Order: sequence, then C-alpha cells, then structure tokens
Amino acid sequence: DAKTTQPPSMDCAEGRAANLPCNHSTISGNEYVYWYRQIHSQGPQYIIHGLKNNETNEMASLIITEDRKSSTLILPHATLRDTAVYYCIVRVGGGSGTYKYIFGTGTRLKVLA
Amino acid sequence: NAGVMQNPRHLVRRRGQEARLRCSPMKGHSHVYWYRQLPEEGLKFMVYLQKENIIDESGMPKERFSAEFPKEGPSILRIQQVVRGDSAAYFCASSPRGLAGGNEQYFGPGTRLTVT
Repeated sequence: DAKTTQPPSMDCAEGRAANLPCNHSTISGNEYVYWYRQIHSQGPQYIIHGLKNNETNEMASLIITEDRKSSTLILPHATLRDTAVYYCIVRVGGGSGTYKYIFGTGTRLKVLA
Repeated sequence: NAGVMQNPRHLVRRRGQEARLRCSPMKGHSHVYWYRQLPEEGLKFMVYLQKENIIDESGMPKERFSAEFPKEGPSILRIQQVVRGDSAAYFCASSPRGLAGGNEQYFGPGTRLTVT
C-alpha cells in the first residue's frame, strides 16, 4: 500500500497562505490523493482530492507534482478556525473495484493570531 | 440533508462486556466504512460494507470484532469481550458509490469507547 509522509507540525500566521506538503513516492498510477482535516478530534472533514492535475475548490488548492510523488495543500488565507490536523491520504485499490483510504500521521497546523 | 450519524457518542464498558456502535450513513449512501483512531494517531481502516455485504474486512482484528450493514437500519460495529486496548475513537464514513472514480467519503462524529 502507498504511504504518505507529512511533517508532524507547522505554524502559519493568520491571513497568510498555509502550504502543507506531503510525500507519496510509492503511489501507483490510479491512486488518488485526498486531503482531510480533523478539528478537536471531530470526524475528519473532506477538503479536496486529485489524481494528476492541480485542483481548486472553495476551501483549498491541491498541487500535485508531475511525477505524482508529492503534493501540496494550499489554504490561501488561513484563519484561526483552520487550526487542525491535516491528513494526506492515498486511496488504494483492492480487487473487484474495492478501494480504501490509507491515512498518514498528519500535520498539526497551528494558525497564529 | 443530515450527515453521517453515529451513536452513542460516548460509551463506557467494563472489561469483558460487549460494545455496539451504530452508524447511519448519509441519505442515499449505500457504502459504509469503519475506522479506529488511537490517541495521537491517524485513523486506521477496519472494514468496508455495502448493504448486506462485507466488501473488505482486511483491517478488522480476527477475533471479537464483527460488522454488519443490514438491508434496513444502521450499520453496527460489534466488539465482544472488550479489553482496555479497545479504548479508542471509532469513526464511520459513507459514500454514495464507493471510492471508485475518486468519490469521497463523509465522516460521522465518532464514538469514543472507554474500557474500564
């Protein structure tokens, strides 16, 4: 199974962009990269996902390198409410079209006032 | 549209008792996933079910743990003869069509199991 590697913690000033890196050097060609975040031990919240191309939605942008071995989640204007643990996840495929998430250990992002 | 619901939110059991955790997926979702999270760790996949079928149980401990998702009603994660090491947060997630094609999962608030 592909695994992800993330820095354990990061700080970001409020209003600035938060760039969260993730390495997934063993990812396979059909494995998607997902990002979720977990605030105060609540259920993980979906942020964004992608396969090859860069993606953007109302929450964040996802930049995936051309070789797909790493990606970066960008929160363009971090607020205090973005303080959370951010998980970079690879969706791995099983047989017969089954898939599951493999969570990494996450990055604890602290947004500072 | 209500999100994924889990109950109870907190459950305390003594060693040797049974724990039953319930998960109601989002409306229209027929795929359910269960995860376990130990303190200060990421979530670990346990089992994937589609209505009345277990699709992937590769993350389930071989003994004492079972899961079901009946035709009617919520999905149930059952832990028999609980031990202190079962103390964790258990999260359920649902998706409408599985994860093929990049569909995402939506998580419930979790059940925090404490074994005394």
